[in-house]
Amino acid sequence: AQSVTQPDIHITVSEGASLELRCNYSYGATPYLFWYVQSPGQGLQLLLKYFSGDTLVQGIKGFEAEFKRSQSSFNLRKPSVHWSDAAEYFCAVGARSGGSYIPTFGRGTSLIVHP
Amino acid sequence: DAGVIQSPRHEVTEMGQEVTLRCKPISGHNSLFWYRQTMMRGLELLIYFNNNVPIDDSGMPEDRFSAKMPNASFSTLKIQPSEPRDSAVYFCASTLDRGRTDTQYFGPGTRLTVL
Repeated sequence: AQSVTQPDIHITVSEGASLELRCNYSYGATPYLFWYVQSPGQGLQLLLKYFSGDTLVQGIKGFEAEFKRSQSSFNLRKPSVHWSDAAEYFCAVGARSGGSYIPTFGRGTSLIVHP
Repeated sequence: DAGVIQSPRHEVTEMGQEVTLRCKPISGHNSLFWYRQTMMRGLELLIYFNNNVPIDDSGMPEDRFSAKMPNASFSTLKIQPSEPRDSAVYFCASTLDRGRTDTQYFGPGTRLTVL
């Protein structure tokens, strides 16, 4: 069965600093990978996704992620964090289930931004 | 588009009462998902529908939970009878399923508190 591990429960960075959130997945075939963001009291919003092709994926709000098959990783990065980036971040892997591909989400990483 | 609409946004009820959560997916989307989010278990898929048909309900915790999708624009998740351990945020998400994992669009969620 597919699974996603986000090793960091909380990450604290200063505003303007760079950010990397880790994600490792387990899936037997070519994965479909996603990063979602959840602001307090809101639903999840897609930041970016990888299906195939270029392993460096650009997303919204200045985020990017790199797919590394050899490491089973899909880490999320941002060169300069803004205070508004404080939120919960979820990595997900899409796997086939009942004819469709269904995402399995990690437990999330809470990002805290210090001024 | 108004996005995925969920109602109510907050629900407080007493143990033993019936609870009905409602979801209106994005027009044109053919797959609908119900998730439950708790601190202990993270984001769990309860059930998903494709073209109004339940495809996978293996995540539904007990017979107390039931979900329906009578048409393409409406779904309900019912808990009867409710218990305190059902307290969580319940999300509905929809997508246009074209045979691969595509972007899920989440509603704002219903925060359920069972006293």
